[in-house]
Amino acid sequence: QLHLQESGPGLVKPSETLSLTCTVSGASISSSVYHWAWIRQPPGKGLECLGGISSGGSTSYNPSFESRVTISVDTSKSQFSLKLSSVTAADTAVYYCVRQGEPLPGWYWGSWGQGTLVTVSS
Amino acid sequence: EIVLTQSPGTLSLSPGERAALSCRASQGLRRSYLAWYQQKPGQAPRLLIYGVSSRATGIPDRFSGSGSGTDFTLTITRLEPEDFAVYYCQQYDLSPQTFGQGTKVEFK
Repeated sequence: QLHLQESGPGLVKPSETLSLTCTVSGASISSSVYHWAWIRQPPGKGLECLGGISSGGSTSYNPSFESRVTISVDTSKSQFSLKLSSVTAADTAVYYCVRQGEPLPGWYWGSWGQGTLVTVSS
Repeated sequence: EIVLTQSPGTLSLSPGERAALSCRASQGLRRSYLAWYQQKPGQAPRLLIYGVSSRATGIPDRFSGSGSGTDFTLTITRLEPEDFAVYYCQQYDLSPQTFGQGTKVEFK
């Protein structure tokens, strides 16, 4: 059973970098043909995808975030990570790590972590 | 970027009734790359439908998706109490993928 778990600070100061990690269990991230991604949801609002990565490290970012976002993968730890720089209050959201659905292809999201709330505040 | 507009914003219905949720795209999808998700309070979204009309694993057959081009519909034939939630559509045909703003299905 695939399980994704987000971890990281729940509070980040404005202008700093938000860093989150997703730990994957129940499936091998290194041998995976799937893409993995980060999706966020501001309080009371809808969903937006920041970007994604393959197990081989190929990334694709939402142009709205491309100048601030970095997604990386560490297959040895079965983890992938998100860094979002120069955060403001508008980046306050629940952040979800997700895995591509099956069957392939297509970047739709079949497995979700429980989400972690990150608040940007001084 | 493709903008998805969902309507209505809120749907007030009773258990046993039929729900029809609309998702309209600002430009036509070339491929059948549209998904629907259900989200309950405090929970992560759950995939219901992918590829416009294919049900994800474990999704009851009272949920169905249809449509093409710019107009798509999620239909719930007979609402069960556990179906009252927020529903989002997502297009993954054109990058960046985008989501609609959601339709809330609430108890009447």
